[in-house]
Amino acid sequence: DADVTQTPRNRITKTGKRIMLECSQTKGHDRMYWYRQDPGLGLRLIYYSFDVKDINKGEISDGYSVSRQAQAKFSLSLESAIPNQTALYFCATSDQDSSYNEQFFGPGTRLTVL
Amino acid sequence: LAKTTQPISMDSYEGQEVNITCSHNNIATNDYITWYQQFPSQGPRFIIQGYKTKVTNEVASLFIPADRKSSTLSLPRVSLSDTAVYYCLVGAQTGGFKTIFGAGTRLFVKA
Repeated sequence: DADVTQTPRNRITKTGKRIMLECSQTKGHDRMYWYRQDPGLGLRLIYYSFDVKDINKGEISDGYSVSRQAQAKFSLSLESAIPNQTALYFCATSDQDSSYNEQFFGPGTRLTVL
Repeated sequence: LAKTTQPISMDSYEGQEVNITCSHNNIATNDYITWYQQFPSQGPRFIIQGYKTKVTNEVASLFIPADRKSSTLSLPRVSLSDTAVYYCLVGAQTGGFKTIFGAGTRLFVKA
């Protein structure tokens, strides 16, 4: 969905490096999420934020941190990347006023940690 | 959050109706059932959501029996472009929908 953008789309890095993945949205949604997906598996929730001052840990937050710089921006950081953090990372948004609370996903960032 | 169980994979042919069933025995009273579709290297896309009985939109139908312990996503007359992974999720709408995706069902549509 072009309304949710992620940068970079692909990144190769080395063990121990600090990495930041960025997500921006033009949908005007309050809620934003970060997921990771490993090959052949479903998505797992890393962190989520229901507004600028709200940050919550998801299912697998260890080794990650996030920053909600503005309503439209939600960044995911890997403080010291390790190989098992190699995965496809998705950002998503949802509207708190939506009766269906449907989530809209970005195109994903493919991260490889060597 | 309620755990869901769905078949790992299914095969179908173009033009057929496909029904994918999801089991969610521990569904809570305020939980909704949501289905997403994901193509390779893309983010999931919302298909349909329901609470009970039947919901239909331009893409699919969702059938939910009275006990709500399972649900069936029905895709009418599938085409090759419906080849994707389909995820069933169960969770409450109020307080935010903190989704947990299982492994999904990989649907392969053949010509």
